[in-house]
This record gives sequence, C-alpha cells and structure tokens, in this order.
Amino acid sequence: AQKITQTQPGMFVQEKEAVTLDCTYDTSDQSYGLFWYKQPSSGEMIFLIYQGSYDEQNATEGRYSLNFQKARKSANLVISASQLGDSAMYFCAMIGEDSSYKLIFGSGTRLLVRP
Amino acid sequence: DTGVSQNPRHKITKRGQNVTFRCDPISEHNRLYWYRQTLGQGPEFLTYFQNEAQLEKSRLLSDRFSAERPKGSFSTLEIQRTEQGDSAMYLCASSPAGPETQYFGPGTRLLVL
Repeated sequence: AQKITQTQPGMFVQEKEAVTLDCTYDTSDQSYGLFWYKQPSSGEMIFLIYQGSYDEQNATEGRYSLNFQKARKSANLVISASQLGDSAMYFCAMIGEDSSYKLIFGSGTRLLVRP
Repeated sequence: DTGVSQNPRHKITKRGQNVTFRCDPISEHNRLYWYRQTLGQGPEFLTYFQNEAQLEKSRLLSDRFSAERPKGSFSTLEIQRTEQGDSAMYLCASSPAGPETQYFGPGTRLLVL
C-alpha cells in the first residue's frame, strides 16, 4: 500500500523568503510519480509540480522546485520568493504502478505568508 | 482549452434526499476521477472512468453512490438517501491517459442537514 506523510500541519513564512514543505512517502512500487497540488480557500486543487521516480534531476516549475531524495523517500516542495498569494493548503500526492493511477494524498500543510 | 468544470459549486440538502453532481472534464481527456475531501483531510479516491467504462470503485463508495459517464464525456455522481456523513467536498479530475497529471475542477461542496 502507498502512503504519503506530511508532518507539518501549518507553516508561516515571511513574504519574499523561501519555504520548504515536507513530504515523505512509502511504496513498494519501482515506478511511481509524485505531485504537489495547491488548494486555496476556494477549494480548487491546482497542479504545481511533478517528479517521476526515474527522473534523475529535481523538477522545477518557476518558483517551485521539488527536492527529491529517493533513498530517503522524501519529496519536499520548495517555494522561493514567497508571495501573499501563496497562502493556501498544499498537498503532496503520489501514483504507483496500479493501473488506475489514482492519486494518494497526504493530509496537507497550511502555509501562511506574512507581509 | 477550458478546464474541468463542476456543477453545482454548492449544495445544501436535507438528510434522506437524493443529490446529483456533474463534472465536465477537459475535452479529449480519457480518464475521469472522483474524489471526496472531508474537512482537514486530503482528497480520497472514490472511482474512475476510462472513457465510458467505470473501472474501479473505492470501498468508500457505498451502494447509495452511483456514478456514470455516458458516451465518455461528462460524468455524474449521485448520492441517494443522503446522510450527514456525506457532507464533504466532491472533486472531479481528468487526465489524458495513464500516468498523466490529473487536473481538478473547483469541486462541489455538499452539506447535509
């Protein structure tokens, strides 16, 4: 069975600073994918970044980067130069070799950016 | 290219009533997923479709729940005889095929009184 663990229920960061949101995962699959989604108070899940288990380089998308450490089974999200609009819930999720490719989510981290 | 849309955005109903939600995926996306999210939790998988075929259902999907995707386009999720425990956000997502990124709609917030 697959599992995602996010141990930070809430985080604060000062505007313009960088912040790291932690995510560890557990799976016995050799091939899997890791995702981060942002959920503002409006409720929509917004895709941020993806990392494949065989990708050798860490994924980056603008101000978002994924610090992938395969041996430690961690996939932390780094947000650089935080903006007020980054305040939201952030969810780490994964898919495995199950042909459904259903997403398994963690419990999320609420990020609050201080002006 | 429009995103995933869901209707209604909010639904308040009395216990015992039936409700139906609709999801319109991104056009040409073969896969459509339904998730349920309760307060303070991450979304949990309910069911998914590959075109018009419903290929997997979670144990969370009791016999009061039914989902359809006629002609492989939009999908509906119906809850019969609603219970207060059904109160949640119902999220729909679509993806092109296989292990591709899933794109979510805005969700339908259900409150059962």
